[in-house]
Amino acid sequence: GDSVTQMEGPVTLSEEAFLTINCTYTATGYPSLFWYVQYPGEGLQLLLKATKADDKGSNKGFEATYRKETTSFHLEKGSVQVSDSAVYFCARLSQGGSEKLVFGKGTKLTVNP
Amino acid sequence: EAGVVQSPRYKIIEKKQPVAFWCNPISGHNTLYWYLQNLGQGPELLIRYENEEAVDDSQLPKDRFSAERLKGVDSTLKIQPAELGDSAVYLCASSLNGRAVGTDTQYFGPGTRLTVL
Repeated sequence: GDSVTQMEGPVTLSEEAFLTINCTYTATGYPSLFWYVQYPGEGLQLLLKATKADDKGSNKGFEATYRKETTSFHLEKGSVQVSDSAVYFCARLSQGGSEKLVFGKGTKLTVNP
Repeated sequence: EAGVVQSPRYKIIEKKQPVAFWCNPISGHNTLYWYLQNLGQGPELLIRYENEEAVDDSQLPKDRFSAERLKGVDSTLKIQPAELGDSAVYLCASSLNGRAVGTDTQYFGPGTRLTVL
């Protein structure tokens, strides 16, 4: 069935370090792909999305490229800040018209000053 | 523009008691979702509404869970009776038109954290 696998955390980085959080999805069709972020005590917020192969989603310095060949949608940021500390979720839209999001388990990121 | 509103934010109950969660979606959004998020996991869909019609409730444990969306706007999710394993965060989300081409963005509320003692 539809699934999303993302790298396990937690991830701890120093400020200004480079961030990569890996995400792969099951290759049934060409689903829309999303990264959501959950800051402490808050709900999920859409960070970026890509709707077709080779699309690049970007927001707040974060980027992710829809790679059909590797069924991946890795999240990257060139220089993280303390305020980026949060849990990041990769997600895909399920197939078959159900329009439900299938999420990975989340990766907790802590950025230290 | 107001986002998705949920209440209460936190709820503590004893097992076997009933509990209800309320959600008000973004104005004009036809599609409403209830997700369950267990600790350390990603959210999982419980039920999806298109206006007032429940179009996907395959993951809703119907023996104890029920939901309604009267008039196609606000929604209520109920558990009766609650069990210890129901402790989790219950998230509500909405989107403009879930039957669009599959690119519709879902916007989430802050969630209700339920603790069952």
